[in-house]
Amino acid sequence: QLRLQESGPGLVKPSETLSLTCTVSGGSTSTTSYYWGWIRQPPGKGLEWIGTVYYSGSTFYNPSLKSRVTISVDTSTNQFSLKLNSVTAADTALYYCARSGYTFGYIDYWGQGALVTVSS
Amino acid sequence: DIQMTQSPSTLSASVGDRVTITCRASQSVSIDLAWYQQKPGKAPKLLIYKTSSLESGVPSRFTGSGSGTEFTLTISSLQPDDFATYYCQQYYSYPYTFGQGTKLEIK
Repeated sequence: QLRLQESGPGLVKPSETLSLTCTVSGGSTSTTSYYWGWIRQPPGKGLEWIGTVYYSGSTFYNPSLKSRVTISVDTSTNQFSLKLNSVTAADTALYYCARSGYTFGYIDYWGQGALVTVSS
Repeated sequence: DIQMTQSPSTLSASVGDRVTITCRASQSVSIDLAWYQQKPGKAPKLLIYKTSSLESGVPSRFTGSGSGTEFTLTISSLQPDDFATYYCQQYYSYPYTFGQGTKLEIK
């Protein structure tokens, strides 16, 4: 059974960089069949797709965040990561890592989510 | 970006009711549309993909239909476990986008 687990600091100061890692177990990030991505959800609000990475390192980002986002994959550790720089309070959210398909874009596996609060 | 709009935002219903949630896209997404269910404190769960294909393990009382710009999720006979928030998502083109959600409440 595939499992995704987010990890990283729960509190980030304004203007600094948010960094999260997703560890994949029960599956491999080096597969050609899937993309690995991030979605966020501000408290009490809806879902926002952030971006996705393929095993090769190829990425797609949401244009609304593109200038601040980097998503990368490390197939040797079976992890992928999210970096979001110059954060503000508006970036406070529950961040989910997730899997979608190479031939399909719906999300079939989600992590449990990691709450990141931006505050001084 | 393709905008996804769900209606209603909130729906009050009773156990046993048949309910329908609508999702409209700002441009055609063909049938590249998924539905998710989210309960408080939990990650979303995939219910339906490719407009009408039921994810493994999801009860058959959930059905999806539509194409192009208009889609529906129907629950044929509400069960207590179905009270949750539902989201549609288009994956026709990047960036993938979600509807704002429909909260299904107990009447």
